[in-house]
This record gives sequence, C-alpha cells and structure tokens, in this order.
Amino acid sequence: NAGVTQTPKFQVLKTGQSMTLQCAQDMNHEYMSWYRQDPGMGLRLIHYSVGAGITDQGEVPNGYNVSRSTTEDFPLRLLSAAPSQTSVYFCASSRETGMGNSPLHFGNGTRLTVT
Amino acid sequence: TQLLEQSPQFLSIQEGENLTVYCNSSSVFSSLQWYRQEPGEGPVLLVTVVTGGEVKKLKRLTFQFGDARKDSSLHITAAQPGDTGLYLCAGVQGAQKLVFGQGTRLTINP
Repeated sequence: NAGVTQTPKFQVLKTGQSMTLQCAQDMNHEYMSWYRQDPGMGLRLIHYSVGAGITDQGEVPNGYNVSRSTTEDFPLRLLSAAPSQTSVYFCASSRETGMGNSPLHFGNGTRLTVT
Repeated sequence: TQLLEQSPQFLSIQEGENLTVYCNSSSVFSSLQWYRQEPGEGPVLLVTVVTGGEVKKLKRLTFQFGDARKDSSLHITAAQPGDTGLYLCAGVQGAQKLVFGQGTRLTINP
C-alpha cells in the first residue's frame, strides 16, 4: 500500500497565483485532514473531513479551500497565494473519525514557497 | 498562544544520557498522542495515552499522561543517535481535531 500520497513535493508560486495541492490515500480511511508546519509553531490544522461530501474548518482555514468528492482524495486549494502561506503542508488520514481511537497517517509533505 | 506547550524546544545531548521532554496545557484532553518526525517525512505515531496517570513504555522511551490529563512527558533512557528527530505531542480536541504542540527538536551526539 502507498498510504498517503502528496503531490507535488515542492512548489514555488508568485503572489496571487492559485494552485491545488493533491492528497490521495488508499487505506479507505474516512477521516482526512490538512496541516501546515511552520518553524516554532508545530502543526496547525487547516481543514478536515470526516467523509465524502463533508468538510469543516480547523485552526487556520483562511485562504484555503477544500472539497471531498471521493473517500480517497482530499485536495487543498490556494485561491490567491500570499507569502504568509509559505510553509510545509501535510495531508493526513485516519481510519476512524474519533481521533482518540486511531492514529493519523501522514504523507511526506509539500514544501510551498510564495514569492 | 499554543494550546499545547512543549519544552524544551531544542535539546542537544551526548549519547548515553537521559532526557525528558514535557508537554503541558491548561486544557483537559481525552487522550494524547506522541509522534516522531524525521527530516523530509511526515510524523509517525509513537504512542497514545488515554487514562490519567497512564505510563507506557516503548523500549527506552517512557511516556506518561498526567493524572489530570492536561500534561504528558516523554523520557528517554540512554539516548542513541538514532533517537534524533522532532518529537511532537498532540491532544485530541472535540473528538475530531488533533492539536499539536510546537515540537522538541532532539539531537543525540555520538
């Protein structure tokens, strides 16, 4: 099994450009989420989904959109990139929607730079 | 303001020494998880603690959940260079959110 696959691994954008970070999992997990990781800040939750067609906001949702049309895919869209969105982005999935019952499985991240 | 505060944020020690990393909060969590992250990779779960006062051991790593379920600690005995990495604690908030501390970057020097 591939687990959680994120593409691309690296991306450079100019301010104002848009892009989609892709995330796919092959474990039939119901729960998927996006985090950003910045130095000294740990991982901060952007958006999450407890199943196809259901999404909700995390701690830092502004500037990001998500959708969940299938169980496998959970893309993250930046509509108009800003330098403050320079970060490493992680997608994660979990077998159960109750977070205390099963661990998060993370992808290897997308390093995004906005100039 | 970080909901979960980890200390220290950076720790560099010699091989064979012992160390403790702390994860503190003013909030109560239903459970707490510890992850380890290597450069260029995503975090990987080490352990989940659920019950106040619970102690779990993973080889030379000992994890403890505070009695009030607001804090946790990770103790490493006789640290090895292979223990080098970023250690993250994470608390379950509202059943569907996992909130992370800012991490402790640990370096074990041979």
